[in-house]
Amino acid sequence: GQNIDQPTEMTATEGAIVQINCTYQTSGFNGLFWYQQHAGEAPTFLSYNVLDGLEEKGRFSSFLSRSKGYSYLLLKELQMKDSASYLCAVLDSNYQLIWGAGTKLIIKP
Amino acid sequence: GAVVSQHPSWVICKSGTSVKIECRSLDFQATTMFWYRQFPKQSLMLMATSNEGSKATYEQGVEKDKFLINHASLTLSTLTVTSAHPEDSSFYICSAMEGNRDFSYEQYFGPGTRLTVT
Repeated sequence: GQNIDQPTEMTATEGAIVQINCTYQTSGFNGLFWYQQHAGEAPTFLSYNVLDGLEEKGRFSSFLSRSKGYSYLLLKELQMKDSASYLCAVLDSNYQLIWGAGTKLIIKP
Repeated sequence: GAVVSQHPSWVICKSGTSVKIECRSLDFQATTMFWYRQFPKQSLMLMATSNEGSKATYEQGVEKDKFLINHASLTLSTLTVTSAHPEDSSFYICSAMEGNRDFSYEQYFGPGTRLTVT
């Protein structure tokens, strides 16, 4: 079966750095997405990785290792507005998105 | 660019009535649109995939006669919840994929529609 695992909840301090991990087992792989979702809102796109390595976009970076079935989202200089759920999703061989359950990130002052 | 709108943003209806939700891509042509459902504190659940001009592909367990999807044009897809019941109350989100999937895999999400059935 297809499976995506990420921690249910994480807590971090404003100004700090946090890493949210995602491991996946899917039928085929055509890329991995990270989305941010605030309560009551639709997800917004953060990153897309299809090759191994680190992609940096401002305060957010995403890393992929296809051989390990592993990705992480790194958030730097945390701000209170970063409190949200972070969803990992893999595009499988049929170009369908397989979603993780999301990681709720709580930022404390 | 790449804006997707949904209408209405929230709706309350009575049991047994039908509700139509519209999803529009405002500044691009969406060859494929997706409809998701999300229950509180849960991840997105894909309901169906629709390609312009063809029948939607429904995920296992989703009743196609209850959730009617029409992708009539490259900028509009509609989801109609027929004979709604309280258990259909949920957050419905659409997303659109632009152009040829060989060039873009990114899905652009609409803001969602909150449906409450009383």
